[in-house]
Amino acid sequence: SQTIHQWPATLVQPVGSPLSLECTVEGTSNPNLYWYRQAAGRGLQLLFYSVGIGQISSEVPQNLSASRPQDRQFILSSKKLLLSDSGFYLCAWSPPGQDTQYFGPGTRLTVL
Amino acid sequence: QKEVEQDPGPLSVPEGAIVSLNCTYSNSAFQYFMWYRQYSRKGPELLMYTYSSGNKEDGRFTAQVDKSSKYISLFIRDSQPSDSATYLCAMSRYSSASKIIFGSGTRLSIRP
Repeated sequence: SQTIHQWPATLVQPVGSPLSLECTVEGTSNPNLYWYRQAAGRGLQLLFYSVGIGQISSEVPQNLSASRPQDRQFILSSKKLLLSDSGFYLCAWSPPGQDTQYFGPGTRLTVL
Repeated sequence: QKEVEQDPGPLSVPEGAIVSLNCTYSNSAFQYFMWYRQYSRKGPELLMYTYSSGNKEDGRFTAQVDKSSKYISLFIRDSQPSDSATYLCAMSRYSSASKIIFGSGTRLSIRP
């Protein structure tokens, strides 16, 4: 069966510091991968999605970036965090050719 | 106007009641409809997935889609305290590698 992992679960970072969140998927090949941000009381905002290694589509202009160095690994990064980057970050995957998405446990980021 | 509208609640009902959760949408091109359940501080989990109009039943859950009215519903029968969560509707136009548009979620509380 497929499993998705995210770490860390919780992160507190100062403004201006760098960020690296990692997501890995097990039990499937060539998944579509997604990064979302969920602000308190708001819906899911799609940040990036990837249909293959090195293929990243950005949905929202921001100071975040994403990379997919391996088939089942998706990384969300920032060089300098802003206060507005605080939120709940969710990674998701979907089987190739399908759009039902399965979510990881999330990372709660607080920028102080 | 948002593409997907969902009443944020909170909705509080007694244990055993039938719960009705709803979303409306504006884009008639949506063909695939989903409901996710999200417990506090966790990632969303897929509950129901339907294509086009009609009903789909899975245990105590029934998903209903009325494309002519651009209206989808999730019914929960014999509600349990463990059903207390935020429920997000979601929809997409295509079946592969597409963007899913999420509602902002309805917070549901089942009183014992």
